[in-house]
Amino acid sequence: EPEVTQTPSHQVTQMGQEVILRCVPISNHLYFYWYRQILGQKVEFLVSFYNNEISEKSEIFDDQFSVERPDGSNFTLKIRSTKLEDSAMYFCASSAYSGANVLTFGAGSRLTVL
Amino acid sequence: QQQVKQSPQSLIVQKGGISIINCAYENTAFDYFPWYQQFPGKGPALLIAIRPDVSEKKEGRFTISFNKSAKQFSLHIMDSQPGDSATYFCAASRGNTDKLIFGTGTRLQVFP
Repeated sequence: EPEVTQTPSHQVTQMGQEVILRCVPISNHLYFYWYRQILGQKVEFLVSFYNNEISEKSEIFDDQFSVERPDGSNFTLKIRSTKLEDSAMYFCASSAYSGANVLTFGAGSRLTVL
Repeated sequence: QQQVKQSPQSLIVQKGGISIINCAYENTAFDYFPWYQQFPGKGPALLIAIRPDVSEKKEGRFTISFNKSAKQFSLHIMDSQPGDSATYFCAASRGNTDKLIFGTGTRLQVFP
């Protein structure tokens, strides 16, 4: 069964450092998402991306965050200057359709900011 | 108004029993209500979903009951199995948005 692949599975970084989380969505999917889950809390929407543009973003997704699809397969989330409160599990998801129906999530990248 | 409230936070059920997880929402514009299942070390996976034009949807042992007037929906797992032990998230979205609003999750443990 096709799956969404995320790397790294765990990254530890110092506060203020830049971090790039990578995702390989399912190959025929056109809609891409990042969500995050702070330990013990709910999964929160960060951003959706379609046709090389951000289609929607949450209030969490401030100027420190950016997304990019640098080639035909990867979808990245960059955090420019990490803060302690950015520590979370970051999930990439993709979908063949618009709207929030039938998202396929990756296993997540755990980010720990020290 | 964007919140989805989920209860209980954790649930322990004996094998063969019924697991019931409840969610409530405020935004009447929500029109899609999925349930996601998450095993440790994995991302959430879509389990079953409902739209407000029906009051119930059943897929195998999993049933969603939907009460539009009360703005509540619930997941029922019949004949619960140890393999059902996971965290379950309810969620909601509006048709013209890509954003899923998740509940806080319920950790289900099914003991043999």
